[in-house]
Amino acid sequence: EVQLVEFGGGLVQPGGSLRLSCSASGFTFRRHALHWVRQAPGKGLEYVSAINSDGSSTYYADSVKGRFSISRDNSKNTLYLQMSGLRTEDTAIYYCVKDVTGGYYVFDYWGLGTLVTVSS
Amino acid sequence: EIVLTQSPGTISLSPGERATLSCRASESVSSSYLAWHQQKPGRAPRLLIYGASIRATGIPDRFSGSGSATDFTLTISRLEPEDFAVYYCQQYGSAPQYTFGQGTKLEIK
Repeated sequence: EVQLVEFGGGLVQPGGSLRLSCSASGFTFRRHALHWVRQAPGKGLEYVSAINSDGSSTYYADSVKGRFSISRDNSKNTLYLQMSGLRTEDTAIYYCVKDVTGGYYVFDYWGLGTLVTVSS
Repeated sequence: EIVLTQSPGTISLSPGERATLSCRASESVSSSYLAWHQQKPGRAPRLLIYGASIRATGIPDRFSGSGSATDFTLTISRLEPEDFAVYYCQQYGSAPQYTFGQGTKLEIK
């Protein structure tokens, strides 16, 4: 069974930093691209970032470019999102999402998410 | 960026009825790379449909997708109580510039 478990969320002040992690199991981690998608309270889904299967390619939405950094450790089956320069509008549940392929294609499994709150 | 507009924003129906949800793209979605995801409160979103009409693993056949280019539809033939949720369309034709629609809430009448 595919499982994606996010952790590392919490309350942080504007301008602060936070690192999210996503621990994966139930599939061959190194063969699949992974994504981060977020959802502000009461709002819809917003795409954040992607990384391909071997970590050689990454992508960021304009809203987070230059502030967020995605990475992965295929030896630990773990995905990361390093967030810095956080703004109040970054407040959201952050979901870790698995891709069907090693590149950028269909999202087939989602985690439950971790809540990030940016507030003073 | 491809903008996806879903309609209606909310739809109220009774179990057993048929639901039709629409997703319109601001420009043609390459290769009909359009997916539908279901989200229930407190639960992880779930992939229902990809490639506009292909059901994901384990999805009941009461769910069907159709459409191409800029107009897509998700149909639930006979609503079950567990189908009341929020539904999002998503395009991956311009991946990794993925975009989502704003969602349609399907509520019990």
